Amino acid sequence: AQTVTQSQPEMSVQEAETVTLSCTYDTSESDYYLFWYKQPPSRQMILVIRQEAYKQQNATENRFSVNFQKAAKSFSLKISDSQLGDAAMYFCAYNTGTASKLTFGTGTRLQVTL
Amino acid sequence: NAGVMQNPRHLVRRRGQEARLRCSPMKGHSHVYWYRQLPEEGLKFMVYLQKENIIDESGMPKERFSAEFPKEGPSILRIQQVVRGDSAAYFCASSPPSIQGGIQYFGAGTRLSVL
Repeated sequence: AQTVTQSQPEMSVQEAETVTLSCTYDTSESDYYLFWYKQPPSRQMILVIRQEAYKQQNATENRFSVNFQKAAKSFSLKISDSQLGDAAMYFCAYNTGTASKLTFGTGTRLQVTL
Repeated sequence: NAGVMQNPRHLVRRRGQEARLRCSPMKGHSHVYWYRQLPEEGLKFMVYLQKENIIDESGMPKERFSAEFPKEGPSILRIQQVVRGDSAAYFCASSPPSIQGGIQYFGAGTRLSVL
């Protein structure tokens, strides 16, 4: 069975600094997709970034980038120039693509301080 | 293009009552997924439906829970004879028929409180 592990229950970063959230996963599939979702206090799940396992290049979306290490089954999220609005729960997730359920980690609560 | 719509946002039920949660997917989306989030936990998959068909219900409790996605109208998650342990946030997500890259778009969730 696929599992997703986030070992950091809470992280804190100062405004304008950089923070990295960790995620590891376990799968026997060769083709799959990895995601980071953000859940602010409103509870809305917002897609931050997506990585396709067959692509070696790390995904980037503005201030958000990932470090995808397929052999190590590691998928960390780097947030640069942190802003107060980045404060939220961040969930790492995995699926095998079309018509496939998402498997989520337990989340990392990110605090952004002045 | 409206996003995934869930209603109600909050639902309060007494033990033994029935709860009905509704989800309207994004326009053009024919795949619907339901997830449950217990307090301080991640989302757990419950069921995956396409129009008039349940494709994967491996995460659904065996009793009291059911889901449907009729040809017309929203998807419904139904919980009969609710118990306190059913208190959680229930999220619906949708994706288009020709999905690219597994992306699912989420609604804002329904928070169910069982008294």
